[in-house]
Amino acid sequence: EDKVVQSPLSLVVHEGDTVTLNCSYEVTNFRSLLWYKQEKKAPTFLFMLTSSGIEKKSGRLSSILDKKELFSILNITATQTGDSAVYLCAVEGQGAQKLVFGQGTRLTINP
Amino acid sequence: DAEITQSPRHKITETGRQVTLACHQTWNHNNMFWYRQDLGHGLRLIHYSYGVHDTNKGEVSDGYSVSRSNTEDLPLTLESAASSQTSVYFCASSESRLSGANVLTFGAGSRLTVL
Repeated sequence: EDKVVQSPLSLVVHEGDTVTLNCSYEVTNFRSLLWYKQEKKAPTFLFMLTSSGIEKKSGRLSSILDKKELFSILNITATQTGDSAVYLCAVEGQGAQKLVFGQGTRLTINP
Repeated sequence: DAEITQSPRHKITETGRQVTLACHQTWNHNNMFWYRQDLGHGLRLIHYSYGVHDTNKGEVSDGYSVSRSNTEDLPLTLESAASSQTSVYFCASSESRLSGANVLTFGAGSRLTVL
């Protein structure tokens, strides 16, 4: 059974800090790993990772995948209060066309 | 603009009643999914469909059913609502892909309370 575990489950930091969110996975025939951000309602797509060692970057957010050790990290630098959200990690197995999600990390940025 | 719409957004019902949550997408996506979200569990897959007349069970399908009679709609039915089904329900859709990642687009969610 495919499985995704995120850590920490909850994190509180001050504005300006850098945070690292972790995602480890077990999946049959790995195809991709995706990160989503969820504020008040629907999750919104951040990154898709398919290859090891290639960093994806968008502004202050970046993510990288390690397919040998079966994990991914999401980094957020110079955090702002608008980064407060639940961050979800999900994996897709080959041929499955469906995502298995982790529990999410609730990130709170205090001013 | 294409979108995915869920209704109702909020519903309160009683134990034993039948409830249907609607999901309608105008992306023309083949794949549609229903997830539920509860504290400590993230998003868990209930049912999914890869196209018209196709439906499949997810990891938490007991007590739920879906049908896919057209591309746009995948209604989720709770045959006899139970308090354990109190949750936030998300519908999602994606293109059918032979290669590349399956990026889901989500609806705004339906909050269901079973008393």
